[in-house]
Amino acid sequence: ETGVTQTPRHLVMGMTNKKSLKCEQHLGHNAMYWYKQSAKKPLELMFVYSLEERVENNSVPSRFSPECPNSSHLFLHLHTLQPEDSALYLCASSQGPGINEQFFGPGTRLTVL
Amino acid sequence: GQQLNQSPQSMFIQEGEDVSMNCTSSSIFNTWLWYKQDPGEGPVLLIALYKAGELTSNGRLTAQFGITRKDSFLNISASIPSDVGIYFCAGYASGTYKYIFGTGTRLKVLA
Repeated sequence: ETGVTQTPRHLVMGMTNKKSLKCEQHLGHNAMYWYKQSAKKPLELMFVYSLEERVENNSVPSRFSPECPNSSHLFLHLHTLQPEDSALYLCASSQGPGINEQFFGPGTRLTVL
Repeated sequence: GQQLNQSPQSMFIQEGEDVSMNCTSSSIFNTWLWYKQDPGEGPVLLIALYKAGELTSNGRLTAQFGITRKDSFLNISASIPSDVGIYFCAGYASGTYKYIFGTGTRLKVLA
């Protein structure tokens, strides 16, 4: 248990569906992250929020839409995804500047049919 | 995008052997992190390094922050079957919000 939870753990969706991934951190951290992990590729940073403000958006397609309503919660809204979007989506959090340890959630295994 | 060179990519070792893996970068980092990831789970932080030359241990694991700040290594002593998994390094440069990850070392331990 790392203090970062993600739901659902598994998700299967069609290309026309709309779904959301949820992340919650119980560590009192100020920054939250979304990563995509595909087979045999390094972790790809998607979005970063610091104090609920988006500070990084790594050229991610608009079919992925993040939302950070407060410093403990992070969402990733999904719509009209493609099969190549199937991957493990990982949420992470960190304290902020000067304390750089980053903690990950267990991930959501997404399959797009 | 930027990534770290991590080696070896995979290794098979006998239980009880020591393991060594490393990461190198063309960029300087202020922090090096080492993670272990089991199948279907998120990476778990093993060791964090903050100073060039720093040597830190966590049980049977020892990691070092290279003097040039462009590399780091992780050693596992007396490996056991539960050490199986993928080990990732990550480098962090202050003020960027970006953690750059290595490609991972897949470790398999033969009993």
